[in-house]
Amino acid sequence: GAGVSQSPSNKVTEKGKDVELRCDPISGHTALYWYRQSLGQGLEFLIYFQGNSAPDKSGLPSDRFSAERTGGSVSTLTIQRTQQEDSAVYLCASSSPPANYGYTFGSGTRLTVV
Amino acid sequence: QQQVKQSPQSLIVQKGGIPIINCAYENTAFDYFPWYQQFPGKGPALLIAIRPDVSEKKEGRFTISFNKSAKQFSLHIMDSQPGDSATYFCAASKGSNYKLTFGKGTLLTVNP
Repeated sequence: GAGVSQSPSNKVTEKGKDVELRCDPISGHTALYWYRQSLGQGLEFLIYFQGNSAPDKSGLPSDRFSAERTGGSVSTLTIQRTQQEDSAVYLCASSSPPANYGYTFGSGTRLTVV
Repeated sequence: QQQVKQSPQSLIVQKGGIPIINCAYENTAFDYFPWYQQFPGKGPALLIAIRPDVSEKKEGRFTISFNKSAKQFSLHIMDSQPGDSATYFCAASKGSNYKLTFGKGTLLTVNP
């Protein structure tokens, strides 16, 4: 596609429920990243996928968070047993190494845990 | 540990003014320094980026100044316009296609 697509754009869930957030990267981009943006804060790195390499999960805040990338394309970020502090905008980005054009971000999924 | 410190948190200028946003980093292994612009409800968009082998880079009205010895870099917006009103983030990484460490952002308002 022309850009990075994320769905849903908004998600309201009850505390304790599981949620899945989806990211469709730009076709051909081999690198995919998830970031979290909390109100008034910068972007917090969560996880990074590059081709067939093992993902860099160093930013995942707890074992309730996981992500997968199927077929080197679509990625799903799963949050289990959601807590109120998980409320944030979850941003996905993709890039195509070794180009020096940086990331292209999607518009994000705004998650609200009530 | 906040590896990229950004200031100010917010900034208000008049149209035509030159807002300056500053960032400082700690990790000397960083070698790629982009700036992103974010409008409400949208994801950040790459504005301009610099590598430490140059001290300045200009693209249109946007200029990055880089001081390697001080581990600081800044964004200048020439002839600012109301349409430049947005949140600006500086970032740093090792290479242009690896995880970015972001500053906390600067909310810029350009008044007509």
